[in-house]
Amino acid sequence: DTEVTQTPKHLVMGMTNKKSLKCEQHMGHRAMYWYKQKAKKPPELMFVYSYEKLSINESVPSRFSPECPNSSLLNLHLHALQPEDSALYLCASSPYRGTEAFFGQGTRLTVV
Amino acid sequence: AQKVTQAQTEISVVEKEDVTLDCVYETRDTTYYLFWYKQPPSGELVFLIRRNSFDEQNEISGRYSWNFQKSTSSFNFTITASQVVDSAVYFCALSELSGSARQLTFGSGTQLTVLP
Repeated sequence: DTEVTQTPKHLVMGMTNKKSLKCEQHMGHRAMYWYKQKAKKPPELMFVYSYEKLSINESVPSRFSPECPNSSLLNLHLHALQPEDSALYLCASSPYRGTEAFFGQGTRLTVV
Repeated sequence: AQKVTQAQTEISVVEKEDVTLDCVYETRDTTYYLFWYKQPPSGELVFLIRRNSFDEQNEISGRYSWNFQKSTSSFNFTITASQVVDSAVYFCALSELSGSARQLTFGSGTQLTVLP
């Protein structure tokens, strides 16, 4: 199983809403990532979890709050987002000290 | 700091033509990995190939082939006999070890359109 599953696939939320993005993998990978991708741009790293601990936070605004409840799950909690936060949010995982990252299909987020 | 450059923003070819996507990288690491990913309109990034810095052997896999040249810091990707389904954005990426996890740096991507 080389699959990373993200839910929901699409999300529309207002600027006062609170929502969460979910990501799940069952490959035994111990590193998980959140990336943000704007249209016609490459993915930009937001957060890295390694062994369920936050190891990298690329100066992301506090309205994005990551959580890693266990080695298979990664959440991204959203609160008070801005329209410019509309993007494709990609989750990925890789083996500890591994190489290639495997990506989910992403959540297309629209903030209205 | 590492950097990946994909100079070709968009490429258009007619079906069955061969096409090469260019990638040039910069890194101070002696051990690193290079990747190609494909992103179709559906959005998922699909892993295609990995090469490590110690392995300059080039490879052919079906219609895909890769040319890794450390001397010129290039990692080019060729699709032979292109097909409409190959239309996608292709990203070259470089991986360095940051703490306990690998961190990918992506190039800006090349939009490949294969016309029937």
